[in-house]
Amino acid sequence: EDQVTQSPEALRLQEGESSSLNCSYTVSGLRGLFWYRQDPGKGPEFLFTLYSAGEEKEKERLKATLTKKESFLHITAPKPEDSATYLCAVQEPERLVFGKGTKLTVDP
Amino acid sequence: GAGVSQSPSNKVTEKGKDVELRCDPISGHTALYWYRQSLGQGLEFLIYFQGNSAPDKSGLPSDRFSAERTGGSVSTLTIQRTQQEDSAVYLCASSPTGDFYEQYFGPGTRLTVT
Repeated sequence: EDQVTQSPEALRLQEGESSSLNCSYTVSGLRGLFWYRQDPGKGPEFLFTLYSAGEEKEKERLKATLTKKESFLHITAPKPEDSATYLCAVQEPERLVFGKGTKLTVDP
Repeated sequence: GAGVSQSPSNKVTEKGKDVELRCDPISGHTALYWYRQSLGQGLEFLIYFQGNSAPDKSGLPSDRFSAERTGGSVSTLTIQRTQQEDSAVYLCASSPTGDFYEQYFGPGTRLTVT
C-alpha cells in the first residue's frame, strides 16, 4: 500500500540549532511532493512543491530537497516562531496522501 | 483579501442525524478540496472539484458522505446518519488551478458526534 512516513514524530530544538525533518514515500507515479506547516487550531499553510529528484526550494530558514524515495525539510538556525507541525504530502493522479507530520518545538 | 471560509466552525450533533458543512473558496479559485483530520491521524483526502465536477469520489469514506459544488464556487459536504467515528475536523482548501498545487486551507469545521 502506498504510504508517506514522516520522522521524527516530534522534535525539540534550541533556538539556532539546525536540523532536518524526513519524509519517505512509497507511492507509485509520484506527481509532486508538498510541504505544509500547520499551527494548532488552524488549517495547513503551503510551503513548497517539489516535482523531481534533485530539486531544491528555499524559503527563509527552510529548505526542501527531494530524492527518488524521500524528501528532507532542513531548518537552519530556527526561531521559536518556527514551532509548528510540518506535514508532507505526495500527489497521486487523483488524490493527495499526507504523512502524520512532525511536531517541531523551538525553545528560546 | 478574504481567505477560504468554512461554516460552521463547530458542530455538535447526535448520532444518526445528518449534517451539512459549507466551504466558501477564495474568489476565482477553480479547484476546491475536502479533507478530514482526526485526532492523532494525518490529513485524509476526501474529494476535490475542478470547477463543478469531481473526477474521483473514491476518497469519500462511505456512501453516507456526499459533496457538491455549484456555480464553481461554494461547496457543501453532507454526512448522512452520522456516526461517532465521523467526529473530526473537516478542512476545505482551494487553489487557483487544479493538480493540488498551492492550496489555501480554511480554518476547518470541528464535528463532534455524540
